[in-house]
Amino acid sequence: TQLLEQSPQFLSIQEGENLTVYCNSSSVFSSLQWYRQEPGEGPVLLVTVVTGGEVKKLKRLTFQFGDARKDSSLHITAAQPGDTGLYLCAGHQEQNQAGTALIFGKGTTLSVSS
Amino acid sequence: ETGVTQSPTHLIKTRGQQVTLRCSSQSGHNTVSWYQQALGQGPQFIFQYYREEENGRGNFPPRFSGLQFPNYSSELNVNALELDDSALYLCASRLDSHYGYTFGSGTRLTVV
Repeated sequence: TQLLEQSPQFLSIQEGENLTVYCNSSSVFSSLQWYRQEPGEGPVLLVTVVTGGEVKKLKRLTFQFGDARKDSSLHITAAQPGDTGLYLCAGHQEQNQAGTALIFGKGTTLSVSS
Repeated sequence: ETGVTQSPTHLIKTRGQQVTLRCSSQSGHNTVSWYQQALGQGPQFIFQYYREEENGRGNFPPRFSGLQFPNYSSELNVNALELDDSALYLCASRLDSHYGYTFGSGTRLTVV
């Protein structure tokens, strides 16, 4: 069972359209992060949300953390071809007293065509 | 900052062989994690080290092992390679005070 469920898995849109990607779980996370990954590269951190209900904006990207800290969303306004990539949500899960592991969803592959 | 550097970038090994992948993290990044990523999928957590001790492990068999060194470098060792081990292996590190990880570009391992 996937701890973090992302939807949709694939998204193909035209330049200028808006889109929302969802990240859901039945577990509570101390923080959720969103990463973007391009082919041949490692994921790059976009944002970290920590407080339930928190909203963060990064230019045309808006990130929201659910009130219960179990889910998050990423909204992109007026998508551009440069937004194309694999979007990953990730949450910290308690492993033991000393460590927490960052667990990823399966990702959403976004393709924006001009 | 020099980022996270992984070597080699690509590697081809034969089934049954052993492989060592290397990662050089940024100074001060006491936490290092290793991930396996299949094409088009999210990274799967292998294990994590904090100050040279393993403090978390995902659902991977014991033939996946690692080390972290005092100079912020680390290794991922895989014994008895299987065809399904073919994947992108990512190393990521972070500061104690930060949630976010810095990832390397990965090592593309192909087992034939």
